[in-house]
Amino acid sequence: DAGVTQSPTHLIKTRGQQVTLRCSPKSGHDTVSWYQQALGQGPQFIFQYYEEEERQRGNFPDRFSGHQFPNYSSELNVNALLLGDSALYLCASSSRRELLLSTDTQYFGPGTRLTVL
Amino acid sequence: AQSVTQLDSHVSVSEGTPVLLRCNYSSSYSPSLFWYVQHPNKGLQLLLKYTSAATLVKGINGFEAEFKKSETSFHLTKPSAHMSDAAEYFCVSLGGFKTIFGAGTRLFVKA
Repeated sequence: DAGVTQSPTHLIKTRGQQVTLRCSPKSGHDTVSWYQQALGQGPQFIFQYYEEEERQRGNFPDRFSGHQFPNYSSELNVNALLLGDSALYLCASSSRRELLLSTDTQYFGPGTRLTVL
Repeated sequence: AQSVTQLDSHVSVSEGTPVLLRCNYSSSYSPSLFWYVQHPNKGLQLLLKYTSAATLVKGINGFEAEFKKSETSFHLTKPSAHMSDAAEYFCVSLGGFKTIFGAGTRLFVKA
């Protein structure tokens, strides 16, 4: 049973460019959340997708957008990249049913390291 | 408002001695609480979780945590540290569909 997978593992972009990161959830999970972890800090919640819609959003600008596909995989898009967007981007998957039952656990992927020059 | 405070940014112990990583939480709901570990350049691995079934929670690699509602704490402990425990540890609260991470505690283990 594959866990959460993310691609690519590393990415280098320049300021002003756009980037797309991808995530495949753990088998049986239908909810995907994205986090940004800057160097030396804890992960910050970006947004969560369920049933192909954004359900929750953290304090991130509209330059950060996402998408969820019918197979529950997800993409994170960041437009007009800034130097400050350099970070490890983590994807986590979970089950909506378990969340409603308060037994939810998020499983994290290995992350995508984005460097903006 | 929901928040998680990890009381120590760094903890240093000698191999074979006990580990204590402290976490306090604040939530309007009855939260689910988690501890995750992150080794350098790796993703987050779940150590244990509390979801109101039992206040003392046992996790992987000999770690355990006790939920104390009166103290709003969820401290992580291990009786005997191993060199491989050196990593960043995050206390996480899940309440009302919102996930909040603590700032993390870096554990150093000396030989």
